[in-house]
Amino acid sequence: NAGVTQTPKFQVLKTGQSMTLQCAQDMNHEYMSWYRQDPGMGLRLIHYSVGAGITDQGEVPNGYNVSRSTTEDFPLRLLSAAPSQTSVYFCASSALFGSRANYGYTFGSGTRLTVV
Amino acid sequence: DQQVKQNSPSLSVQEGRISILNCDYTNSMFDYFLWYKKYPAEGPTFLISISSIKDKNEDGRFTVFLNKSAKHLSLHIVPSQPGDSAVYFCAAIKNAGKSTFGDGTTLTVKP
Repeated sequence: NAGVTQTPKFQVLKTGQSMTLQCAQDMNHEYMSWYRQDPGMGLRLIHYSVGAGITDQGEVPNGYNVSRSTTEDFPLRLLSAAPSQTSVYFCASSALFGSRANYGYTFGSGTRLTVV
Repeated sequence: DQQVKQNSPSLSVQEGRISILNCDYTNSMFDYFLWYKKYPAEGPTFLISISSIKDKNEDGRFTVFLNKSAKHLSLHIVPSQPGDSAVYFCAAIKNAGKSTFGDGTTLTVKP
């Protein structure tokens, strides 16, 4: 089925470790983004991309890197994990132009990350 | 400075009645407003959107109203069903694709 695929679903890291959260979409969407959701809070934007080769920072970018080498993939890298990065991470995509563009995101099912 | 606010953390309604979820925003430059529904352990699901040049958009049981002078939008669900019980997020877009989310309202629809 078409959609946004995130891997892994769960991850436990030790402080200082690095890892990459994977995100792939097969809908040919121009826009992709990463959000984190902490308990009782809304989604906060980490990084986003409006097309291959173009990325920009969101509201909470510190400690995270992204790249967009293809339209389909938008991995999120944690450089040196900290307990403050314990959260649920969501990847999302949307069409920006044309008849598909209602600007609503398609979200992945999330990655629950715990940093100890 | 939180640009999108959902001031009610929770709402409880009886099955068959109307659910009204509210959202306020501070930035008059937002282009689109959207509502999402989220079940536990799942990603949010897009429900409905409205352009800043409209004041109403309807899709089945869901209607979104936009009051630009009050910087307020609301989602009406009629009739409410137990399966509508979820967390509802409102979101606003200023630049192409980049959304700002509220903190969510937990809706409980009682049978």
